[in-house]
This record gives sequence, C-alpha cells and structure tokens, in this order.
Amino acid sequence: EPEVTQTPSHQVTQMGQEVILRCVPISNHLYFYWYRQILGQKVEFLVSFYNNEISEKSEIFDDQFSVERPDGSNFTLKIRSTKLEDSAMYFCASREAGGLTGELFFGEGSRLTVL
Amino acid sequence: QKEVEQNSGPLSVPEGAIASLNCTYSDRGSQSFFWYRQYSGKSPELIMSIYSNGDKEDGRFTAQLNKASQYVSLLIRDSQPSDSATYLCAVNGAGRRALTFGSGTRLQVQP
Repeated sequence: EPEVTQTPSHQVTQMGQEVILRCVPISNHLYFYWYRQILGQKVEFLVSFYNNEISEKSEIFDDQFSVERPDGSNFTLKIRSTKLEDSAMYFCASREAGGLTGELFFGEGSRLTVL
Repeated sequence: QKEVEQNSGPLSVPEGAIASLNCTYSDRGSQSFFWYRQYSGKSPELIMSIYSNGDKEDGRFTAQLNKASQYVSLLIRDSQPSDSATYLCAVNGAGRRALTFGSGTRLQVQP
C-alpha cells in the first residue's frame, strides 16, 4: 500500500541550528502539507504546497520556516534557526489531485527535539 | 478565532458498547468534516468524512453532522479494545484547503 515516508524519525539539535525534515509523498499525490504536534497538544497546520508553490500557510509558518520540492519525489521542511519551542512531532501529509481537501494521508512523523 | 472543540476525555466504555464522541466548530462556513484516529505516538489516520447534514455509516462507525448547530459526532458501535486511541475532529473552513484539528478525545475501551 502506498505511504508517505518521512526522515529522520527523530532528530536532536541544538538551539540555533538549522534542521531539514524530509518527506516522500505518495507518488500520484499533488498536494503536500506539513503539520506539527507539540507533545500533548493538538495537530497544527503549518503550510500547504501545490504546483511548486505555497498555497496556504499559518501564522506559525514564519520566516524561520521554508518548504521546497527539490526534485520529483522529495518535499522538505527547513527550520533555519531552531528554538526550544520548535520541539514537536512534524507530520508530512499528502492528498491526490482529485481527492477531497481533508482526506489526507499522513507520514509517521519526524520528532524534533531542540536542546 | 476559528476553533474546533472536543472534550479531552478520557471516555471510558466497556467492550461491546457504543462510544459517542462529539465535536463543535466555530466557523459557520465550514464545508467538510473529518474524523481521524491517532494511536499514541503515531500519526493521524482518516476514518470518516462527512459533508452534508445527517448520518453517514461505514462499518461500525457512524458520523453525524448538524450544520445548524455546528456539531459533528462519531459513534463507534461494538467498541473493541483496539479502538482505544485519541479521536481527532478536523474541519475545512470556507475557502481553505488546510484542516483545523480539535485537541482530540481519548477513548478507552475496557475489555
């Protein structure tokens, strides 16, 4: 069964360091998303991406964050200078072109710990 | 502020009983409504979607939507211990592609 894959599963970094989280969405999907979930809190939307550009972003997605689709398969989230409060599980999700807007397929997540 | 509200629980039901999970939302223009299940330490998994008022059944799951009351619910019949998880209500606001999630209701099914 096709799935969204994310790497790394867990990353520990020092405050101020740059982090890149990687995602391989399902191959025929055209809409890509990043969400995050701070431990014990709700799943929060960060950004959506379609046709090689950001289609929507939340107030969380400030200048410290960027997304990129560097090739035909990967979708990355970069955090330029990590802060303690960036510690969270980051989920990549995708959906197919004809799929309904909320029917997302999530990856297993990348846990980011900022020390 | 656009919000999706859920009782955090835990909701504890015996095996075989009906579990009833509720959600309210504040954006009256919301169009699409979803229930995701999240096991501890895992990612959300879509279990139901509903777009129009009324009931929608899929196996042991029934989603109910009342747009006038801005209320969505999920019923799980014949609850099993494997249903023990956090259930997330998610809503698409008007004109938005992104989902807004509630904080989830933790369900415990007692064997």
